[in-house]
Amino acid sequence: QQPVQSPQAVILREGEDAVINCSSSKALYSVHWYRQKHGEAPVFLMILLKGGEQKGHEKISASFNEKKQQSSLYLTASQLSYSGTYFCGTGINAGGTSYGKLTFGQGTILTVHP
Amino acid sequence: SQTIHQWPATLVQPVGSPLSLECTVEGTSNPNLYWYRQAAGRGLQLLFYSVGIGQISSEVPQNLSASRPQDRQFILSSKKLLLSDSGFYLCAWRAFGGSNSPLHFGNGTRLTVT
Repeated sequence: QQPVQSPQAVILREGEDAVINCSSSKALYSVHWYRQKHGEAPVFLMILLKGGEQKGHEKISASFNEKKQQSSLYLTASQLSYSGTYFCGTGINAGGTSYGKLTFGQGTILTVHP
Repeated sequence: SQTIHQWPATLVQPVGSPLSLECTVEGTSNPNLYWYRQAAGRGLQLLFYSVGIGQISSEVPQNLSASRPQDRQFILSSKKLLLSDSGFYLCAWRAFGGSNSPLHFGNGTRLTVT
């Protein structure tokens, strides 16, 4: 089942912060985050594998609350290059029979203005 | 290093015509392979995945089929295209059994069925 992302769209000015949430109705094993620029392929940002794990990538970080079955992506001091559509991908199985399938949310469109 | 090639980049086909999109991966062995479709302004829908030569699993019933004739080659086909087959098709690979490894996407094929 598809995870639900919120908000659907965010508009920021450079330097502002944003949070994108990803929630699932099923227990999660892993959460992936990707960013897609218009007309391009999604690019991997980070994976979170266990409850409570937080990861960071420059000024972009994420948390994973396994109990709440949700993850949040934090973008701080946003830059113009952060514009794009952000997708979370969730894995609901430890990998044995799921073959590493990822089910993606509908995406959050982030626009950063000068 | 691993690379993924997908072609063609764009394709315009009439309704009822056949389709063949090809994807190859270099620099890795026995990858998990995936075909995703993205409708305009929408999320990523998993169409097919494969864990080995000749092993194809379909996620949604549709007008498309997939084949994996070689370890690092994945082909998406249709005998007769429908208007609803238009979209952005993305091939992706992942390390075999690697639930904790990222998906790597090809550059995609933008298919327009007229």
